[in-house]
Amino acid sequence: DVKVTQSSRYLVKRTGEKVFLECVQDMDHENMFWYRQDPGLGLRLIYFSYDVKMKEKGDIPEGYSVSREKKERFSLILESASTNQTSMYLCASSSRPGTGDHYGYTFGSGTRLTVV
Amino acid sequence: AQSVTQLGSHVSVSEGALVLLRCNYSSSVPPYLFWYVQYPNQGLQLLLKYTSAATLVKGINGFEAEFKKSETSFHLTKPSAHMSDAAEYFCAVSRSGGSYIPTFGRGTSLIVHP
Repeated sequence: DVKVTQSSRYLVKRTGEKVFLECVQDMDHENMFWYRQDPGLGLRLIYFSYDVKMKEKGDIPEGYSVSREKKERFSLILESASTNQTSMYLCASSSRPGTGDHYGYTFGSGTRLTVV
Repeated sequence: AQSVTQLGSHVSVSEGALVLLRCNYSSSVPPYLFWYVQYPNQGLQLLLKYTSAATLVKGINGFEAEFKKSETSFHLTKPSAHMSDAAEYFCAVSRSGGSYIPTFGRGTSLIVHP
């Protein structure tokens, strides 16, 4: 069964800490994405990547950075965590569009981050 | 630009009743359309997709959706609700402006009463 795996289901961090959220996919997908999900706001795109070492800003990149050193791994970094970054974080991957194989995203189970 | 509107943040039905979750989209080009389901404390799971083939799309768990270009709609239906259908449902649109990154609606919470 194909999977997107997020390393932690729940995290509690202190304000000002540097936080790493890890995501690994085993489907050889080119595209990977990080979203945050908040009640009433749906999913908002933070960053995405179309290839190794490539990254693009999404709709809400402020306060975040990403790293993609290997095709299967996409990390989200909170440089200095703040309480307004308390949220559910979702990683997703997809195949390259235009290949006739664009079947939507595969999501990880999410990481619920609380910053205190 | 593309956008998605899901009518109703909460929909409540009785077990065995028809489920109808509404989704309207805007897109400057023929869209790809998706419905995802999210169970509590889990990620999103693809229910079904429309990618310019048949306008009536069947998905998992007995759900289906119909693409209506004239109404710019992609409503999700199921003839008979089950308690296990209680979840959050998200509609998404992609492919507008050359970008395949989907835009998600804000979600509709389906509540199923016994």
